[in-house]
Amino acid sequence: DAGITQSPRHKVTETGTPVTLRCHQTENHRYMYWYRQDPGHGLRLIHYSYGVKDTDKGEVSDGYSVSRSKTEDFLLTLESATSSQTSVYFCAIRTGETGNTIYFGEGSWLTVV
Amino acid sequence: GQQLNQSPQSMFIQEGEDVSMNCTSSSIFNTWLWYKQDPGEGPVLLIALYKAGELTSNGRLTAQFGITRKDSFLNISASIPSDVGIYFCAGAKTSYDKVIFGPGTSLSVIP
Repeated sequence: DAGITQSPRHKVTETGTPVTLRCHQTENHRYMYWYRQDPGHGLRLIHYSYGVKDTDKGEVSDGYSVSRSKTEDFLLTLESATSSQTSVYFCAIRTGETGNTIYFGEGSWLTVV
Repeated sequence: GQQLNQSPQSMFIQEGEDVSMNCTSSSIFNTWLWYKQDPGEGPVLLIALYKAGELTSNGRLTAQFGITRKDSFLNISASIPSDVGIYFCAGAKTSYDKVIFGPGTSLSVIP
């Protein structure tokens, strides 16, 4: 257990509405990540953070923004949700300052109707 | 961009059989990770490898960091029904690089 909590775990929203997913960690890790998982595409990195207010884009960042105002919280926002953003979203943290061991949260299931 | 290939895509095996799966990359990696994902849950780290040639075990699971640094292998011995799930490999080029995930190998175990 890497001390990661995602909320909400399940959400249904309408096209065009903004949605924010929250990732909370309890172990003070510097690096945090948001991935989405879709059939046929595996896990794809949306955005990541390497410290408070330090974020960068991943491979599928269009339509998403992130914020990290505190070490423990990393927020993912869908500015105007579309049906193509229906997916499972996983938050992850990286342990240690070196090495790339990634631990995942339990996931947030988002359906955009 | 970078891609990882996993094979096989899926496999159906009899309980008690050994399982082998692999992951290949067109780039050299210095980290290989293996995860298992059960339905409705997040991927769980099984084994992490940081050195070419490294062989690491976790119970009935054994993973190896390929000598070429472009591949990795995962073996499961004496499979049991709870081994069912999707196994993902992941890799990174450097200690600070982003981690790239393979598409997964779906394992089904027939009792």
